[in-house]
Amino acid sequence: DIQMTQSPSTLSASVGDRVTITCRASQTINKWLAWYQQKPGKAPKFLIYQASRLETGVPSRFSGSGSGTEFTLTITSLQPDDFATYYCQQYESSFRTFGQGTKVEI
Amino acid sequence: QVQLQESGPGLVKPSETLSLTCNVSGDSVTSDGSYWTWIRQPPGEGLEWIGYIFYNRKTDYNPSLQSRVTISADASSNQFSLRLSSVTPADTAIYYCARDEVRHQLGFDNWGQGTLVTVSS
Repeated sequence: DIQMTQSPSTLSASVGDRVTITCRASQTINKWLAWYQQKPGKAPKFLIYQASRLETGVPSRFSGSGSGTEFTLTITSLQPDDFATYYCQQYESSFRTFGQGTKVEI
Repeated sequence: QVQLQESGPGLVKPSETLSLTCNVSGDSVTSDGSYWTWIRQPPGEGLEWIGYIFYNRKTDYNPSLQSRVTISADASSNQFSLRLSSVTPADTAIYYCARDEVRHQLGFDNWGQGTLVTVSS
């Protein structure tokens, strides 16, 4: 299986900050990576697909980049609604796998 | 607008079989554009992919659960289901159904709200 490793596990930030989360794959996954946002008690929300394409309705302060084995999720000018846990997920392999999550906290 | 809704018992005894159903609206379980998927999340932990069913009844499962998992679909009711046998307390989790959009290679673009299943005697 393809292992996905996110860093950091927890990130402390303030409103207005620029935040970057890294996701590394144990083998190449080309561009087949998605990002999700999860708030307590809620299902994950689909944010980004194919590493860099923003889902309709997701604010433009979110962006994704990378290919192969290293990827980043960037949030420019962090908003109060952005404090949540973020997961990356690969779909290169039919055995889908997630990163362990990054909690963005105040 | 695609919507998914899980249903099933919230409490299952150890060694018994967990059974959940996902009702789909706004898309069809007979569509060749999506894998109909189950994902779980133990309390306070991360997300674990369980497996999927495709329109042609092809299934694929997480190897760590493969011996205990069955995913099936019912076209007449536009639902798909999860059965997990011989459960233990380690199977306590929120179980989500989700659409894995493969025609346009998106990922899990639609999720149910999730249902908590507790394994306890």
